[in-house]
This record gives sequence, C-alpha cells and structure tokens, in this order.
Amino acid sequence: SQKIEQNSEALNIQEGKTATLTCNYTNYSPAYLQWYRQDPGRGPVFLLLIRENEKEKRKERLKVTFDTTLKQSLFHITASQPADSATYLCALTGGANNLFFGTGTRLTVIP
Amino acid sequence: DTAVSQTPKYLVTQMGNDKSIKCEQNLGHDTMYWYKQDSKKFLKIMFSYNNKELIINETVPNRFSPKSPDKAHLNLHINSLELGDSAVYFCASSQDGRSSKNIQYFGAGTRLSVL
Repeated sequence: SQKIEQNSEALNIQEGKTATLTCNYTNYSPAYLQWYRQDPGRGPVFLLLIRENEKEKRKERLKVTFDTTLKQSLFHITASQPADSATYLCALTGGANNLFFGTGTRLTVIP
Repeated sequence: DTAVSQTPKYLVTQMGNDKSIKCEQNLGHDTMYWYKQDSKKFLKIMFSYNNKELIINETVPNRFSPKSPDKAHLNLHINSLELGDSAVYFCASSQDGRSSKNIQYFGAGTRLSVL
C-alpha cells in the first residue's frame, strides 16, 4: 500500500539550532515533493517544492533534499526561531496528480 | 483580500441534519479541492474539480456532494450528517490540477462538529 510517513509526530529543539524533519514514502514515484507549514486553526501554506531530479533546494533558512533512491526527503530549518513552531507536512503527487500528504511533524522551538 | 475563503469557519449541528460549506477563490485558478483533516491531523483529499468538472472523487460516502457553479467556487453539501463526519474541512485551489507540480493554496478551514 502507499504510505507517506513523517517519522516524528513531535519535535522539540532549542532556539538557534537546526531542525531536521524527515519524510519517507513507499509505493509512490512522485515527480515533485512539496513541504507545507500549518499553524493551529489555519490551512497549510506552501513552502518549497523540489523536483525528482533535484537533490537540494533552498529558500532563506529552509533547505529540502530529495533522495528518490531512499524514497526520502529531509526538511531543514537553520537558526530556528520560536516563530518557526508549527506543524510541517510533506506532500507528493500520486495518481491523477492528486496531492497526498504525510502525517505531519509538530515542531516546537524553545526559546 | 483572502485568496481562498470558506464559510462558515465553525459549524455545529445535530446528527441527521444537512449542511453546506462554501468556498471561493480569487486567484484565477482552474482547479479546486476539498480535503478532510481528522482529529489526528491527517489531511486527505475528497474531491477535485477542474473548470467546474469533477476530476477526482476519492472514496467518500455519497452523502457528500460537491457543486461547482463556476471555476471560482466549489461548495460542499453533506446530507444526513453522522458523528464520524466531525472534522476540519479545507478547501484549496491550484493553477492547474492536471499538472504534476500542483502547488495548492488552502482556505482557513471549517470545523464541523456533529452532536
């Protein structure tokens, strides 16, 4: 069966450190993988997209890697701040270009 | 201006009732979606419409019926509400859902509570 798993339901880190979130998938062959941020009481907001032939993508303090052999994406937030506290969702396109979401990781950055 | 807006934000109702949730997007996108997010925060697609035509209908009870009067609007009507329908429902849109790139823009959600 198809699965998208984000290995930590919750992650706490100290302000200033790098947060690393993991997304693993099985039985998908996505052309793209996306990361979204969701704050309590709000809808997900798109952050970054990476193509299958890209190894790494950066945007300000965010970095995403995509390893299609391992079927894994890593999402890094460097110099983390309390304002980065949120739930982060990975998503990838499946059949009919549906977007399938992972289970999410709730990140808390402790001041 | 809110890009994707849905109403109401909260909906509390009794089992067996019929209710509707409305969604509008002002982004000029061709494709709109409904998602359900359960108590464990898992976000699952329900329906997708491209230019008013249904293109995705995941395994959803037929008590749920989407209606798209034009490509800027996608409403969700739910008949005979059940306790298990309690969840947060999100509307979303994308420029072209037929593209594998498919970046989506979400509304703020409608929290439905069935008593």
